[in-house]
Formats: sequence, structure tokens, C-alpha cells
Amino acid sequence: GESVGLHLPTLSVQEGDNSIINCAYSNSASDYFIWYKQESGKGPQFIIDIRSNMDKRQGQRVTVLLNKTVKHLSLQIAATQPGDSAVYFCAEYQISNSGYALNFGKGTSLLVTP
Amino acid sequence: DSGVTQTPKHLITATGQRVTLRCSPRSGDLSVYWYQQSLDQGLQFLIQYYNGEERAKGNILERFSAQQFPDLHSELNLSSLELGDSALYFCASSPSPGTGNEKLFFGSGTQLSVL
Repeated sequence: GESVGLHLPTLSVQEGDNSIINCAYSNSASDYFIWYKQESGKGPQFIIDIRSNMDKRQGQRVTVLLNKTVKHLSLQIAATQPGDSAVYFCAEYQISNSGYALNFGKGTSLLVTP
Repeated sequence: DSGVTQTPKHLITATGQRVTLRCSPRSGDLSVYWYQQSLDQGLQFLIQYYNGEERAKGNILERFSAQQFPDLHSELNLSSLELGDSALYFCASSPSPGTGNEKLFFGSGTQLSVL
């Protein structure tokens, strides 16, 4: 079936460096994507979203890039800080005869070292 | 703080038992979603309710059921519990009925341990 997946399960970066987390999706009909951050012991927290009519969207220290041609999504975090250490999920909506469901990828663990 | 409240935070029970997890959505949100997070399956969508009515269904077991009450809080009932049901259960909410274009706001979850 169609699914959302992540290229790298773990990513270790030094404080101050930029981080890039990648995500591949297979449903070419998907038109809305969301990145979530999950810290230990907490629920997923919304970071940024992007619609398929955009290639790039910027937030505070984060940028999401969407390449519809190769069905690839990436999250860039500038000047990574220790507080950015968490698991990052990309998510897309799947539609079925039972309605819409936000489908999450497996997640990438980001570890920021001092 | 997302504004979504889940209770209890932790629940320890035995196989064969039944438990109820509770969720209060953000003020003004009409949709409630339930997710299960386990180490081997990741975040799995279970079910969605909008203004008291079931709206979308995922991979929810027949032993599990949910409902949304007139005050919009929701309960997830898990029965005949098995060891494999041990997981984090998250509730999320959104203001709209589920059109595939809304962001979800998640609670802190209920950690269920079945012994």
C-alpha cells in the first residue's frame, strides 16, 4: 500500500550546525504534508506544514521543501540547538472509504551534541 | 501545552481487563482523533469523531471502541487486553470535520502497560 517513509532513522549533528531530515512519500495525490516533533514523554508537536501548490515554506529556524517530481519532503533546521533533540515525523493524509486519516512515517531521531 | 488533555497519564493493568482512556479536546475543536504508538508500529491512526459522530476509521481492533460525548470529550475503551496492547495512546483534536487539510494538536498521551 502507499505509505510515508523516512530515509534516515537517526541523525546526529553538532550544536550550531544545520540539520536536514528527509521523507519520501508514495501517494502522488497527496496535497498536504505536516512535520511533527516528538520529545521524550510528550505528544507530537506541530512544526510546519506545506501544501502541494508550494515548493518551500519557511518558519522560525525551520524550512520545509517539497519536491513533487520525486515525491520527496525535507525538513531543514537552522543552527540546531540541544532543544531540537527529538523524533521528527512527516505526515500526509490518506483517504479511504472510511474518511481521511493523517498517516505518519516511522520517524527520524535527531540527536544534537554540544 | 497543546490544550488537549488526556487522563490518566499512566495505566497499568492485567491481561483480559478493560480500561477507559479519556480525552478533552482543545476549546472549540469538534474533532477528536485517537492514535496508538508502539515501538514496532509507530503512530497508527485508530478512529476519528466529529461532533459526536464517527467520521473515519483506521486499524482499530474490534476489542477497542470509542465515543464522543455532547460536551465533546472522548473516551477510548480497550477490552480483553493483551500484552501487545501495551503502547502509548494519543488523542488529537482539530476544529474541522476531517477534510484532509487540517493540522492536528496532540495531547501528552496515556501510557498503557498490560502485564
